[in-house]
Amino acid sequence: QQQVKQSPQSLIVQKGGISIINCAYENTAFDYFPWYQQFPGKGPALLIAIRPDVSEKKEGRFTISFNKSAKQFSLHIMDSQPGDSATYFCAASVGNNRLAFGKGNQVVVIP
Amino acid sequence: GAGVSQSPSNKVTEKGKDVELRCDPISGHTALYWYRQSLGQGLEFLIYFQGNSAPDKSGLPSDRFSAERTGGSVSTLTIQRTQQEDSAVYLCASSLQGGFGANVLTFGAGSRLTVL
Repeated sequence: QQQVKQSPQSLIVQKGGISIINCAYENTAFDYFPWYQQFPGKGPALLIAIRPDVSEKKEGRFTISFNKSAKQFSLHIMDSQPGDSATYFCAASVGNNRLAFGKGNQVVVIP
Repeated sequence: GAGVSQSPSNKVTEKGKDVELRCDPISGHTALYWYRQSLGQGLEFLIYFQGNSAPDKSGLPSDRFSAERTGGSVSTLTIQRTQQEDSAVYLCASSLQGGFGANVLTFGAGSRLTVL
């Protein structure tokens, strides 16, 4: 049973454009929502994270938007660059040390 | 070390053989996790260690899978009588402590297992 569901499965964006990846969850007890970035041949690395008491968090070109009532959160990559081409995983946890990951979105930024 | 180290990076084995995958976490990290990444399936939780004990091993898919951690450091994931469906990348991660801090996971590059 997938606890967090990502969409779209893959995304192709022109350099300079905005990449938007969405994630939906069912468990209202989740209290921590990170996004992880994975390059080929590497392990995932924490990119940005949010807690449900805020609706938006921005770090550089990366922004998480959180909609508690809709049980959705999204990752926005502004001014997308070819170096952003990677697989992005959303995840959620309820403080019991287990992170539930989505299936991942592959983002390809075309120069 | 500076990061989480996993070995071997690649392992090809025949169906029915046993394999051992090793993880060296970041020094001082008390929590250690194993995840499995299969094509198109995302990251599947396998087991979590706090120190040498495993408070959550509910993700292990069958009794052919086992893991141990010794000295609060190195962990070994063992798969007995491997099957073709075991083919995947096995990722190890560690974190400084349990609780909220455990959510900041540092992953290794993974061990790619191919079962022929």
